[in-house]
Amino acid sequence: DTGVSQDPRHKITKRGQNVTFRCDPISEHNRLYWYRQTLGQGPEFLTYFQNEAQLEKSRLLSDRFSAERPKGSFSTLEIQRTEQGDSAMYLCASSFSWDYTDTQYFGPGTRLTVL
Amino acid sequence: DAKTTQPTSMDCAEGRAANLPCNHSTISGNEYVYWYRQIHSQGPQYIIHGLKNNETNEMASLIITEDRKSSTLILPHATLRDTAVYYCIVRLLNYGGSQGNLIFGKGTKLSVKP
Repeated sequence: DTGVSQDPRHKITKRGQNVTFRCDPISEHNRLYWYRQTLGQGPEFLTYFQNEAQLEKSRLLSDRFSAERPKGSFSTLEIQRTEQGDSAMYLCASSFSWDYTDTQYFGPGTRLTVL
Repeated sequence: DAKTTQPTSMDCAEGRAANLPCNHSTISGNEYVYWYRQIHSQGPQYIIHGLKNNETNEMASLIITEDRKSSTLILPHATLRDTAVYYCIVRLLNYGGSQGNLIFGKGTKLSVKP
């Protein structure tokens, strides 16, 4: 069990550029979540997938954000036309929905800095 | 919004027990109490969860009051590596799955001192 992995770990970009992050969940987990965390705050939910289907999206997920999980394994989160307010840690988590506890396990996060 | 209230910060001496309180007075019958922690610049780490009975695992113990309106996470012998932000989360679980996302508050910043 290698845990949840995220790539890259750090990303610095200029305002207006597009960025894409990748998350690889724990191999048998069918649910995958994206969260965003700004300094001094707890993580905030963005969206989640069960297998390939995107089941829920937060109002925080503006139209500049898009997430995909095309084969029900890894997921990508893309931010178009980045703004300075997008600077945050982007966290991915995964879980196994047939496990009654459905415990979510988090990756190390991708820290985005928008200049 | 988070359905829990936690102190902003706490200190604990190394080797002593750390007792972290959480208030969840509006918890409903099928909502569980989860605890996660987040060490600086890392992703949150699952610690423990419970419904109404006290729970213990290799990391911690969870004590839930009889009325379920509050709980305490106990780290029996705190070490410097336990310095982290600890989040108490109330989450709906029902047969066949859960509500999905976790709702985090600001948590308690625990500082373990030598």
